[in-house]
Amino acid sequence: GAVVSQHPSRVICKSGTSVKIECRSLDFQATTMFWYRQFPKQSLMLMATSNEGSKATYEQGVEKDKFLINHASLTLSTLTVTSAHPEDSSFYICSAVGSTNEKLFFGSGTQLSVL
Amino acid sequence: GENVEQHPSTLSVQEGDSAVIKCTYSDSASNYFPWYKQELGKRPQLIIDIRSNVGEKKDQRIAVTLNKTAKHFSLHITETQPEDSAVYFCAAKVNTGRRALTFGSGTRLQVQP
Repeated sequence: GAVVSQHPSRVICKSGTSVKIECRSLDFQATTMFWYRQFPKQSLMLMATSNEGSKATYEQGVEKDKFLINHASLTLSTLTVTSAHPEDSSFYICSAVGSTNEKLFFGSGTQLSVL
Repeated sequence: GENVEQHPSTLSVQEGDSAVIKCTYSDSASNYFPWYKQELGKRPQLIIDIRSNVGEKKDQRIAVTLNKTAKHFSLHITETQPEDSAVYFCAAKVNTGRRALTFGSGTRLQVQP
């Protein structure tokens, strides 16, 4: 299957700081990547769809100015959590569709803890 | 948009027994239905998927059935083993590259040795 790499795996930061998370497709080109958020013992909730070379599409209730997404190349999408607060603490996970345009492969996730 | 409901939320079985997890979806246009297994703190792993032109698919101890008319699909795990313990998510989408998966709420499966 396709390999999606995500970094960092864990971040602990102070309230008010910004955190950048990188998601890379290692062995395929991903024109579309998806960012999900998962709170403890809950499901994966789609935050936004990241499209290479264009603006991301955000789901209802997700603040685009707080969760900045950049998809500057066919293999890299970044999510920046700006001015993070404790309620932003969560497991953030990216995903990309493989070359078959069907199966979704996930990055390893980033556990964000905001103090 | 799509809405996926999953039951049960928790499931405990004895080793060797079968486990069944059921999901329903709302969007009749959805035609791709994967199942993911997620261990604590790790990424979801695709374990099996099914497309709407197929009613059943099997891979060793795992099988998935789809009833497109009723808009529900199920995961069946036979001869369960302790290492099957994890959270399982069903999902659905319209099968184009730019459409995201909508996930069910998850089922925590515990296989008792």
